Amino acid sequence: DIQMTQSPSTLSASVGDRVTITCRASQSVSTWLAWYQLKPGKAPKLLIYKASTLEGGVPSRFSGSGSGTEFALTISSLQPDDFATYYCQQYNSLSGTFGQGTKVEVK
Amino acid sequence: EVQLVESGGGLVQPGGSLRLSCAGSGFTFSSYEFNWVRQAPGKGLEWVSYISSGDSVIYYADSVKGRFTISRDNAKNSLYLQMNSLRVEDTAIYYCARDRAASGYFDFWGQGTLVTVSS
Repeated sequence: DIQMTQSPSTLSASVGDRVTITCRASQSVSTWLAWYQLKPGKAPKLLIYKASTLEGGVPSRFSGSGSGTEFALTISSLQPDDFATYYCQQYNSLSGTFGQGTKVEVK
Repeated sequence: EVQLVESGGGLVQPGGSLRLSCAGSGFTFSSYEFNWVRQAPGKGLEWVSYISSGDSVIYYADSVKGRFTISRDNAKNSLYLQMNSLRVEDTAIYYCARDRAASGYFDFWGQGTLVTVSS
């Protein structure tokens, strides 16, 4: 199975900060990578697919980059609604493994 | 508006069974593949199972193979997960998630239903 490792596990930031979350795959997944946002009690939300394609309706402050084994999710200017947990997911192979998550919390 | 609504979660003893349902609306249910994904308390997301649009292709995670059965009823716009021989480690929020064009990533999710396995 392909293992996905996110860092950091927790990120403390303030409104307006530029925030970057990284995701590393144990083997190449090309650009078959998605990012999701999770908030307690709410449906998870797709942010990015194919490593860098922004899902419709997602604010442009979110961006994705990378290919192969190294990926990043960047929030250019953190907004109050962005405090949440973020997960990467590879879909290059069956089972679509997720990273362990990165919680973005208020500094 | 696309909506997925899970139901059927609850408290069950180890070794017991539970059937989860996911009702879809706002789109052509029969045209899409679906997945179940779970999140154990304090843990990350774990993919559980996949079913193709016509239910001819089905996959399971090794952790649930032989115990869980995914199915769908396109006439009722519904997805199901029959969970048997439940274990304490199956305790989690279970989400149904729509697969975009059999791509492997999930464009819409439900809010989840909590399954607690405890004596």
